[in-house]
Amino acid sequence: NAGVTQTPKFQVLKTGQSMTLQCAQDMNHNSMYWYRQDPGMGLRLIYYSASEGTTDKGEVPNGYNVSRLNKREFSLRLESAAPSQTSVYFCASSRLGRTEAFFGQGTRLTVV
Amino acid sequence: AQSVTQLGSHVSVSEGALVLLRCNYSSSVPPYLFWYVQYPNQGLQLLLKYTTGATLVKGINGFEAEFKKSETSFHLTKPSAHMSDAAEYFCAVSPGQTGNQFYFGTGTSLTVIP
Repeated sequence: NAGVTQTPKFQVLKTGQSMTLQCAQDMNHNSMYWYRQDPGMGLRLIYYSASEGTTDKGEVPNGYNVSRLNKREFSLRLESAAPSQTSVYFCASSRLGRTEAFFGQGTRLTVV
Repeated sequence: AQSVTQLGSHVSVSEGALVLLRCNYSSSVPPYLFWYVQYPNQGLQLLLKYTTGATLVKGINGFEAEFKKSETSFHLTKPSAHMSDAAEYFCAVSPGQTGNQFYFGTGTSLTVIP
């Protein structure tokens, strides 16, 4: 039972490089989310997708883009990485309605 | 607007002592409330949730939390701490609009002293 799968688990980028973080869920959830976790700041929402075909900005969207490829997959793209984007990134999913979110294991990204 | 405040970024307790982690929220609508636990280098795992009904909710690993609307609080407790409880704990609120968003507190790191 995979749940939410994120790839890669670790990544080091140079400033200005681009990359895409991949996320897939096998729970048939409608909603998917991307968060970043920084020390002392908890989890902050970058983008979310309430359902297939829709995406919305969260609290900290600048420097990121997302694609809801289908119901299962939700990717996060950094077009031109900056050191301020060094963080741990979590993908999550949930059913529509007031239910809990299920999280992936995270991607630890370092931008040098 | 929704927000979550966790009082105390670091809490230390002795093994066998009471664990109390505090969470206060603000929400414009009756919220759903959650506590998550994060072990080192892992994702977040749901400990318990309050949706509707009984205000005292029980979760995994002996944790429980009580929703107090008048105090806008959802504190997490465990009667007797175990070494394995050492982790980061996050309180979260969902306002329940369509396509829920989850708002997280800044987390409380729990240390258990043998």
